[in-house]
Amino acid sequence: QSVLTQPPSVSGAPGQRVTISCTGSSSNIGAGNDVHWYQQLPGTVPKLLISGNNNRPSGVPDRFSGSKSGTSASLAITGLQAEDEADYYCQSFDSSLSGWVFGGGTKVTVL
Amino acid sequence: EVQVLESGGGLVQPGGSLRLSCAASGFSFNINAMSWVRQAPGKGLEWVSGISGSGDSTYYADFVKGRFTISRDNSRNTLYLQMNSLRAEDTAVYYCAKLRGLVTRNYYFDYWGQGTLVTVSS
Repeated sequence: QSVLTQPPSVSGAPGQRVTISCTGSSSNIGAGNDVHWYQQLPGTVPKLLISGNNNRPSGVPDRFSGSKSGTSASLAITGLQAEDEADYYCQSFDSSLSGWVFGGGTKVTVL
Repeated sequence: EVQVLESGGGLVQPGGSLRLSCAASGFSFNINAMSWVRQAPGKGLEWVSGISGSGDSTYYADFVKGRFTISRDNSRNTLYLQMNSLRAEDTAVYYCAKLRGLVTRNYYFDYWGQGTLVTVSS
């Protein structure tokens, strides 16, 4: 069981907006530690999508955005496209475990 | 261009040992923290271990403490993971990843290698 909790799957039609939640606790997200997001397309290496809660690295479309509040964070994808079908992971640092932690991952399906 | 390239994976029997290597280039290796992250077949990402740029600070996930040792040779721009007492559940693709951030608790993985497969089976 992952320290950060994500829904196993979300889906949406092309053009729609979907959100992925990432729920932590007072020892990670709630401790003020940043949340980061990764995209893993089928058969590929994970790629950084969002850093520092809501910062997009160069080359990431502005359709992707992140937010954080309390012990949770969210990734939003607006204008969903077929190429967005992938697994998405949130990540933070757990101060009690003294280590980095990932969510279990969310599979996004474009209907 | 930042590159990290893992090697050393393979088939090993339960209880055996293996040493993974990660050759890095394209950035100042000696001032960047590095990490290992694994992914079991069909499963999610799981952080394994991390090390500071100087090598003075090391971090381990509970499930590898006492069995795995992370180290680095800054003169060779190489990261290592010594894995002992391997178990079937350690079977996974092991990724080498560069860490970035201002403080440890806000570090994230900005570059990933292609991974090396470790299979623990008799």
